[in-house]
Amino acid sequence: DVKVTQSSRYLVKRTGEKVFLECVQDMDHENMFWYRQDPGLGLRLIYFSYDVKMKEKGDIPEGYSVSREKKERFSLILESASTNQTSMYLCASISTGTGYNEQFFGPGTRLTVL
Amino acid sequence: LAKTTQPISMDSYEGQEVNITCSHNNIATNDYITWYQQFPSQGPRFIIQGYKTKVTNEVASLFIPADRKSSTLSLPRVSLSGTAVYYCLVGGMAAGNKLTFGGGTRVLVKP
Repeated sequence: DVKVTQSSRYLVKRTGEKVFLECVQDMDHENMFWYRQDPGLGLRLIYFSYDVKMKEKGDIPEGYSVSREKKERFSLILESASTNQTSMYLCASISTGTGYNEQFFGPGTRLTVL
Repeated sequence: LAKTTQPISMDSYEGQEVNITCSHNNIATNDYITWYQQFPSQGPRFIIQGYKTKVTNEVASLFIPADRKSSTLSLPRVSLSGTAVYYCLVGGMAAGNKLTFGGGTRVLVKP
């Protein structure tokens, strides 16, 4: 049962290219997140969105932008890819409200920028 | 925003109980405590969530003292497949809440 999908598992791009990472969830969740994960640094929050067309910066937003035109889709954009953006990118979604809630993660996209 | 601190790594043996403690001194009233497990090349997976006292499910227990400034994840009788990184996350569940992970604890289960 598919819950959070990401457009690619592996991606190789060149420095300066514009890169789009797509994430889709089928659980009607309000909140969606983009993280990057690097060895020894855990998961770092890039951007998140709590509604269509709404976005908030996370801890490391520099060099990234996001788009949320539909509730189920949250896109991460690298306007001009650089080698230091080589990383594993993880998308997640969660429902809002009180009580029990879990974040569902996609399988990740491993991006290499040459 | 509550910052979390966990040990970087710990070793255990198959069949033993593993306890991982997370410190979150500035936890807010509305914050929940959630633990995730991550295997290599996969996204994190939810293990357990709690607000106070003790929570138990089929895979783990979560102990939260009255002051809620720390929490302990307990994994009973770990198997070799329990080798993973475990993350403690503290945050509210309302819309717009920023959910930030700490560095995680790498648990190595040995035979």
